[in-house]
Amino acid sequence: NAGVMQNPRHLVRRRGQEARLRCSPMKGHSHVYWYRQLPEEGLKFMVYLQKENIIDESGMPKERFSAEFPKEGPSILRIQQVVRGDSAAYFCASSRPGLALQLPTGELFFGEGSRLTVL
Amino acid sequence: RKEVEQDPGPFNVPEGATVAFNCTYSNSASQSFFWYRQDCRKEPKLLMSVYSSGNEDGRFTAQLNRASQYISLLIRDSKLSDSATYLCVVNRGWDTGTASKLTFGTGTRLQVTL
Repeated sequence: NAGVMQNPRHLVRRRGQEARLRCSPMKGHSHVYWYRQLPEEGLKFMVYLQKENIIDESGMPKERFSAEFPKEGPSILRIQQVVRGDSAAYFCASSRPGLALQLPTGELFFGEGSRLTVL
Repeated sequence: RKEVEQDPGPFNVPEGATVAFNCTYSNSASQSFFWYRQDCRKEPKLLMSVYSSGNEDGRFTAQLNRASQYISLLIRDSKLSDSATYLCVVNRGWDTGTASKLTFGTGTRLQVTL
């Protein structure tokens, strides 16, 4: 029963390069969320996706960041032209399909995270 | 003012002690509340939900005070394995994409010692 799988676990990039982080949700989960955690800071919501749809990207920086969750394959968070400030842990989480509106699902299942270091 | 505020700690307590954490939230329209636990350099995991009537799970008790907009977590008989960062999480919405409305606090670090 595999959990949320993220890769790579660690990624080192030089300024200006691209970073691609991948996330496969738990089996049966169709909702994927990306969060960023900076050192000594809380988890910050970035984007919420379902298959082939971006539902909420209110937490995504306007430039250089993009996310997708194709029909086949993992969700990908892409950071173009990385800068030192992008260095962080990027967590992917998944949840079950939404239930009735009055039943909030606060339970997210997180992957182990991808730690990006920009030199 | 941050949406969710927690004392970062660390709280250093001996094994067997009782320790309590508080968390305040700014949005009075917040609908649901949770405590997550995050071990060092690991992913967060749901510890428990927080209900208006308060709820207990073994040594852990969570309380919600809507009037004062704070939630609390009480840990009795602390174990070494309780050492972790405890994240207060507030849900601002009720729609099916509700997890996208989760706001995480920065966490309170607990260190239980012998």
